[in-house]
Amino acid sequence: EVQLLESGGGLVQPGGSLRLSCAASGFTFSTYAMTWVRQPPGKGPEWVSTISGSGGSTYYADSVKGRFTISRDNSRNTLFLQMNSLRAEDTAVYYCAKGRDSSGFYSRACDSWGQGTLVTVSS
Amino acid sequence: DIQMTQSPSSLSASVGDRVTITCRASQGISNYLAWFQQKPGKAPKSLIYAASSLQSGVPSKFSGSGSGTDFTLTISSLQPEDFATYYCQQYNNYPITFGQGTRLEIK
Repeated sequence: EVQLLESGGGLVQPGGSLRLSCAASGFTFSTYAMTWVRQPPGKGPEWVSTISGSGGSTYYADSVKGRFTISRDNSRNTLFLQMNSLRAEDTAVYYCAKGRDSSGFYSRACDSWGQGTLVTVSS
Repeated sequence: DIQMTQSPSSLSASVGDRVTITCRASQGISNYLAWFQQKPGKAPKSLIYAASSLQSGVPSKFSGSGSGTDFTLTISSLQPEDFATYYCQQYNNYPITFGQGTRLEIK
């Protein structure tokens, strides 16, 4: 059974940084792309970033480009999201999700999601 | 960016009904479309990918169709556990984008 467990969320001041982690189990982690999706309170989901199975390709939403960095450690089955220069509009539940392939179109389609971790950016 | 527009935004139906939700893309996305179900306080759950392929473990009462710009999600024989918010998502191009959601409520 696929399991994804996010951690690292919390309250941070504007301009601050957080590092989210997603511990994966139940599948061969290195052979699937991974994605971060966020959901602001009361709103719909928003795609944030995707990384290929090898980690060699990364993609970002314009709203986070230059501030957030996605990475993975395939030896530890863990996905990361380093978030810098945080803004109030980054406040959301952040979900990690597993892709359906390592790269290509189906790598962008997610079949399993974690339970989410809440990030609150406020002074 | 590709805009995804769902209709209706909300829908009231009764147990046992059959409902259809529509999703339209602002440009052609072939069949690179997924549908998700989300209940309050829970993570999204994958229902359909590749426009019409059923996610493993999802009951066959859920079905998807369409290609290009127009897509539908049909849910037959509604049960209490089906009342939730449904989102479409395109993954043809980056940035990946979602529809605004359709809230399915009990009449």
